Amino acid sequence: DIVMTQSPDSLAVSLGERATFNCKSSQSVLYSSNNKNYLAWYQQKPGQPPKLLIYWASTRESGVPDRFRGSGSGTDFTLTISRLQAEDVAVYYCQQYYSSPQTFGQGTKLEIK
Amino acid sequence: QVQLVESGGGVVQPGRSLRLSCAASGFTFSTYAMHWIRQTPGKRLEWLAVISGNSEFYTDHIDSVKGRFTISRDNSKNTLYLQMNSLRTEDTAVYFCARDRGGSYRGWFDPWGQGTLVTVSS
Repeated sequence: DIVMTQSPDSLAVSLGERATFNCKSSQSVLYSSNNKNYLAWYQQKPGQPPKLLIYWASTRESGVPDRFRGSGSGTDFTLTISRLQAEDVAVYYCQQYYSSPQTFGQGTKLEIK
Repeated sequence: QVQLVESGGGVVQPGRSLRLSCAASGFTFSTYAMHWIRQTPGKRLEWLAVISGNSEFYTDHIDSVKGRFTISRDNSKNTLYLQMNSLRTEDTAVYFCARDRGGSYRGWFDPWGQGTLVTVSS
């Protein structure tokens, strides 16, 4: 199974500042035949199910603010939230769908400093 | 709008069975693969099973539940199921159903239902 490791476990950022989340996979999730990274990012607010933010490592889901940006390739990925807003407080998860079983990182909890 | 609503959770003793349901609406259910995913009390997310949308009903389950859990669907009722047998205390979690968006049984998940809590305890 591909192990997904996120860092840090928690993050405190001031409103209006940038938040950066890291996700590392134990093996590459880049499929060479289509040059796509099989990685998604989700946001989970308290009491709610996860919400899709990003897929193919950098494609923003419809309706997701452009403050959210996904980047990276191979085994190392980053989710960046620019201009942090109070509503962004949540736990953020990465997920690989390169191989079965699909696996998730342990999550990074975002708080306001 | 697209909506998934899980039901069937509850408190059950170890070794007993439970069947979860997921009612889908707002999209053509039969054309999408569907998944079950659970979230442990420690907030870890674990993918459990997938079923294809068409009549072939391809399925796959994570090794830790193979032989105990079975995913199925009834396209005439727009409903997804998870039959859980021989439940263990470590199966305690919130169980989510989710629609596949990758189109190949192994994609990203959107949307997710609200979840149903299963507690396995004596």
